[in-house]
Amino acid sequence: DAGVIQSPRHEVTEMGQEVTLRCKPISGHNSLFWYRQTMMRGLELLIYFNNNVPIDDSGMPEDRFSAKMPNASFSTLKIQPSEPRDSAVYFCASSPPSGGLGGYTFGSGTRLTVV
Amino acid sequence: AQSVTQLDSQVPVFEEAPVELRCNYSSSVSVYLFWYVQYPNQGLQLLLKYLSGSTLVESINGFEAEFNKSQTSFHLRKPSVHISDTAEYFCAVSDGDYKLSFGAGTTVTVRA
Repeated sequence: DAGVIQSPRHEVTEMGQEVTLRCKPISGHNSLFWYRQTMMRGLELLIYFNNNVPIDDSGMPEDRFSAKMPNASFSTLKIQPSEPRDSAVYFCASSPPSGGLGGYTFGSGTRLTVV
Repeated sequence: AQSVTQLDSQVPVFEEAPVELRCNYSSSVSVYLFWYVQYPNQGLQLLLKYLSGSTLVESINGFEAEFNKSQTSFHLRKPSVHISDTAEYFCAVSDGDYKLSFGAGTTVTVRA
């Protein structure tokens, strides 16, 4: 298996632009997570999907952030409009039906810079 | 709700010396504990986990961690580190549902 695949690896955009981050989870995993990592706040869970349905979006910072999972093999995280404080590394992770017991598999992340 | 405290943010260590990374957790229910490693410019990788059974768990690259229920700890150790162990290490806890709670991370820098 190729693991969790995220694209792009790096994104530089201007303030106010729309940004879309993409994730392909491991086949057979039914849980998908979006995390944000910054020096100041560490790893923050943004949203959790189970069987393509958003279960917990309490970590989404504000309405500028939205996430979708149209099918079991694809998810997007969108920021519109982007702001400099959104600069961070965004990770996608997936886990099998055993959930927390199996641990997560993380993607390599998308480093977002908003200038 | 569960939470994790990693007591050291930075741990410098010389090559071939031992290292211990401290992790304490709080949880009101049964816990499952994990250590993840993040090498520079990479995502997090599962290093080892405690689910049940033996309180001492080992990874394939020489790390071990011991679950201590009375002290609510899950410290990570390696008797002799290599330059390649330079990374950030995250302790995480789950109560069995979907959510992993991560600590703030400990940066290990191994020097020759």
